Amino acid sequence: EVQVAESGGGLAQPGESRRLSCAASGFTFSRYEMNWVRQAPGKGLEWIAYISSSGSTTYYADSVKGRFTLSRDDSKSSLYLQMNSLRVEDTAVYYCARVLPQRLAFDSWGQGTLVTVSS
Amino acid sequence: QSVLTQPPSVSGAPGQRVTISCTGSSSNIGAGYDVHWYQHLPGTAPKLLIYDNTNRPSGVPDRFSGSKSGTSASLAITGLQAEDEADYYCQSYDSSLSGWVFGGGTKLTVL
Repeated sequence: EVQVAESGGGLAQPGESRRLSCAASGFTFSRYEMNWVRQAPGKGLEWIAYISSSGSTTYYADSVKGRFTLSRDDSKSSLYLQMNSLRVEDTAVYYCARVLPQRLAFDSWGQGTLVTVSS
Repeated sequence: QSVLTQPPSVSGAPGQRVTISCTGSSSNIGAGYDVHWYQHLPGTAPKLLIYDNTNRPSGVPDRFSGSKSGTSASLAITGLQAEDEADYYCQSYDSSLSGWVFGGGTKLTVL
């Protein structure tokens, strides 16, 4: 069964850093492009970061560009989102999502991990 | 404000048909990028309902269907069931933003 599971959420103060992880199972992780999507309280879904299957290409939403870095470790079937200079507006549930091959849709999502940025 | 525009809410009685619209622009839907639809219950993983405008992943009932025309797309749900009560999001790719964009979400209430 295809599964992705996020971890690493919690409480952080403005300006601090935090690293989220996404563990994949049930598929050959190295063959898939991956993304992070977040949902702030009471708001809709917001795409924030993409990484290619090779790891050589990443894209970021303007809201996180320069502060967040996405990486992957195929030997561990894991995805990492390094979040620096956190802001109150980064408070959200963060989801890891797999890209449907040859498509631009996200076909498998985790249940999310909550990051709260507050002083 | 979301790049793709959806109505905040729709409702229908069990057994009825509802549609949810998704309006974009010339840099996303109108540029030919496909539209995808997701069902999301708070606290759970979003679920892919429709991909590439009209296609259903395995396991999604044929009560769910999608369409696309010009700069807009629609999700139709027939034979409404109580379990369909959820938030629904459309998604596409935007060339001017170089990234994926979502609609603001539509809350479906089954009366």
